[in-house]
Amino acid sequence: SAVISQKPSRDICQRGTSLTIQCQVDSQVTMMFWYRQQPGQSLTLIATANQGSEATYESGFVIDKFPISRPNLTFSTLTVSNMSPEDSSIYLCSVDRDSADTQYFGPGTRLTVL
Amino acid sequence: AQSVSQHNHHVILSEAASLELGCNYSYGGTVNLFWYVQYPGQHLQLLLKYFSGDPLVKGIKGFEAEFIKSKFSFNLRKPSVQWSDTAEYFCAVKKAQAGTALIFGKGTTLSVSS
Repeated sequence: SAVISQKPSRDICQRGTSLTIQCQVDSQVTMMFWYRQQPGQSLTLIATANQGSEATYESGFVIDKFPISRPNLTFSTLTVSNMSPEDSSIYLCSVDRDSADTQYFGPGTRLTVL
Repeated sequence: AQSVSQHNHHVILSEAASLELGCNYSYGGTVNLFWYVQYPGQHLQLLLKYFSGDPLVKGIKGFEAEFIKSKFSFNLRKPSVQWSDTAEYFCAVKKAQAGTALIFGKGTTLSVSS
């Protein structure tokens, strides 16, 4: 399995501000994924981040709202920009261990927007 | 597009009762199938997975799942649940291809009373 850490674990933010979430993995991985879990809902894929290229966003998610960086093979950030209360969710980082083809998840960042 | 359907939103059982959670998916190609569990206050953990071979797979904590290709189903079972099985259970599917993301069902909340 992979050890994945996320920072911050939780935050309460004001409407209109931005928050950057960090994801650190204990080993090099090619693909990293960002998911959102809204209250009482399932996980929805936001984007796929491949090191060295721009992230690929799912329908309904745009780079201006959720910019992603992937500077190396063990780290990625997701920024939630110009936040509104609708952005209150748990944001999860996930990695696909290539040889195992299984995704492992970080502990998540619980975001509340007031 | 792929989709995953979980039949039960909330299941309530007494300890020692048997459990079966339904999961159906839609995708015409080869898929890898997963069940994840999220215990209260904890992060998402892999319960079991199916890639190929024996369609009956065993996971952690006495859980098993059966892949029925003709029915596009991957139902989760446990013969005798315990209070500690109280959690949210997610069925997920991905294309059998490295680097592709998981598609999740809406989840089933299992409450086990002692």
